[in-house]
Amino acid sequence: AQSVTQLGSHVSVSEGALVLLRCNYSSSVPPYLFWYVQYPNQGLQLLLKYTTGATLVKGINGFEAEFKKSETSFHLTKPSAHMSDAAEYFCAVRMNSGYSTLTFGKGTMLLVSP
Amino acid sequence: KAGVTQTPRYLIKTRGQQVTLSCSPISGHRSVSWYQQTPGQGLQFLFEYFSETQRNKGNFPGRFSGRQFSNSRSEMNVSTLELGDSALYLCASSLEGRAEAFFGQGTRLTVV
Repeated sequence: AQSVTQLGSHVSVSEGALVLLRCNYSSSVPPYLFWYVQYPNQGLQLLLKYTTGATLVKGINGFEAEFKKSETSFHLTKPSAHMSDAAEYFCAVRMNSGYSTLTFGKGTMLLVSP
Repeated sequence: KAGVTQTPRYLIKTRGQQVTLSCSPISGHRSVSWYQQTPGQGLQFLFEYFSETQRNKGNFPGRFSGRQFSNSRSEMNVSTLELGDSALYLCASSLEGRAEAFFGQGTRLTVV
């Protein structure tokens, strides 16, 4: 069975600082990997995805993530945090199979201070 | 192109009642999945439908059920509501052959 671990339920950064949100997965084969963002009382918005090919993927709002198979990691980064980035971020995996089922991490709340 | 639409957005029900939630996927998407989000358990998979057939199911009691119609719209039903069923219920749709899923705004169910 696959699982996702997000280190840190809360991460605090100052505006303009680097954002690093950590995600490690457990899977017998390389899965598809995703990062989603959730604003209060909203659904999940897809930030970026990794399926195959280039291991550094770029997403919306200046976010990017790097797939490292040897470390089974898919950490999310953004060079410079903005106040509008404050939200909850979820890492998710999906097996490369016919099912669309996602397994999510517990989420990391990003707090951005001025 | 319209996104995933879930109705209603908010719902308050009493213990013991039943409830039906609706999800309209993105046009052309035939795969619809449902998730329950709670502060304690996080995001948990309920079930997935494709072309009117349930093809995957999470670890939830039989009180939770769903169906999908020929136009790919989906409903989920929860019978004999319990306080612990209070949650945000999220629906996601996917295009066959594509990895990503797109989520609706969710239905906030409160059981009192």
